[in-house]
This record gives sequence, structure tokens and C-alpha cells, in this order.
Amino acid sequence: EVVLTQSPGTLSLSPGGRATLSCRASQSVRSYLAWYQQKPGQAPRLLIYDASSRATGIPDRFSGSGSGTDFTLTISRLEPEDFAVYYCQHYGGSPPVTFGGGTKVEI
Amino acid sequence: EVQLVESGGALVQPGRSLRLSCAASGFTFDGYAMHWVRQAPGKGLEWVSGISANSGDIIYADSVKGRFTISRDNAKNSLYLQLDSLRAEDTALYYCTKRVNSQNPFDSWGQGTMVTVSS
Repeated sequence: EVVLTQSPGTLSLSPGGRATLSCRASQSVRSYLAWYQQKPGQAPRLLIYDASSRATGIPDRFSGSGSGTDFTLTISRLEPEDFAVYYCQHYGGSPPVTFGGGTKVEI
Repeated sequence: EVQLVESGGALVQPGRSLRLSCAASGFTFDGYAMHWVRQAPGKGLEWVSGISANSGDIIYADSVKGRFTISRDNAKNSLYLQLDSLRAEDTALYYCTKRVNSQNPFDSWGQGTMVTVSS
């Protein structure tokens, strides 16, 4: 089973700043890696899939990179609505889906 | 517009059963695999179970195997999760999600239905 480790647990930044979130897999997941954003009281929303492809309607300040075991989600200029919890997810394996523990981006 | 609306969550005693439902609209339901994902209060996301578009493939997380049963009714555009032998650790918000197939992420989520297991 693939284990996803996200770091840091919490990221304290200011609006306009740059956020760099890490997700490390215990074994290669190729590019089967997605990122989700979850705001308080809301369901997760798909941001990035296949490691670097933005989902429909996602602003271009969100970008994903990496392959194999090391992945990064970058938010280039933080907007107030970007402060949330971010999860990485591996899909296509067995079990079919695993999630990282999450990174909270706070002001 | 894609809509996934969960229902059926409740406060139940340990050992009891519950059936969750997810009503889908805005997409071709029988063209998508469907999954349940849960989130315990203040915790992260945990995948629970999935079912393929034609119900031919069904899979469960080890934590619920033998206690939960996933099913779907494509004629009613509905997904179900039967929860038996409930435990305190099953307390969570249960989300319904969809994806095209196993090589894709979850592209839409419902708002969830809360299951609380407590005496």
C-alpha cells in the first residue's frame, strides 16, 4: 500500500505570498497524483490531477509538479480564499485510493 | 451541473446498522465509477469503498471490509452504502464521489452525510 506523507503540517503565510506544499510517496506512483483543496465546512475540490494538470476552472496560480515519489503543489500568489487544507491523493493503485494527511495553509 | 446529494446519516448505537444514499444528477451516472470517502471530525480523508459503473468491480478498505456493503441502482441514479456492525471509529462525515475509472481522481464530491456512532 502506498503511503503519502505531506509536509509541512501547517504553513503560515500572508496573502500575496507563495506556498510550496510537498507530498512524498512511499513507492513510485508514476504521475497518478492529485491535489484537493478543502475549506472549513466544505467538501474537497479537485485542483490538480496527473501530478500537473489543472482541473476545470482552477486558476493558473495553482500548479503541480513531480513524478515517481516526490510531488509539489505551488500556489504562486496567495489569495484570501486559498487559505484551506490541501490533500494529495494517489489513485490507480491497490487499494485504489490513498490520501496524504493534509497541509493546512493559514494566515 | 453535477450534483451528488448524500442522505441517511444519523446518530446510532454501536453494533447497529445504517444505510446511506447518494442521489446523482447532471451527468451520465452509469458511465462513472462511484466511491465513498469519509472524514472523522477534525481528521483527514479516508477512502471507504468503490463500485464500478456496471457494479462488476467492488472494493473496500480493510477497515470496513465485511461490515459495509456498497451498491448502486443505475436506473435510479443512486449509490448506496449499507453500514453494519457500526463502531465508534466509524463516526465520520461520509462523502459520495465519482470518477471515470481507476486511472482518474475524484472529480466531484457531495456535501456529505454525518454518521455518529455512540451509546
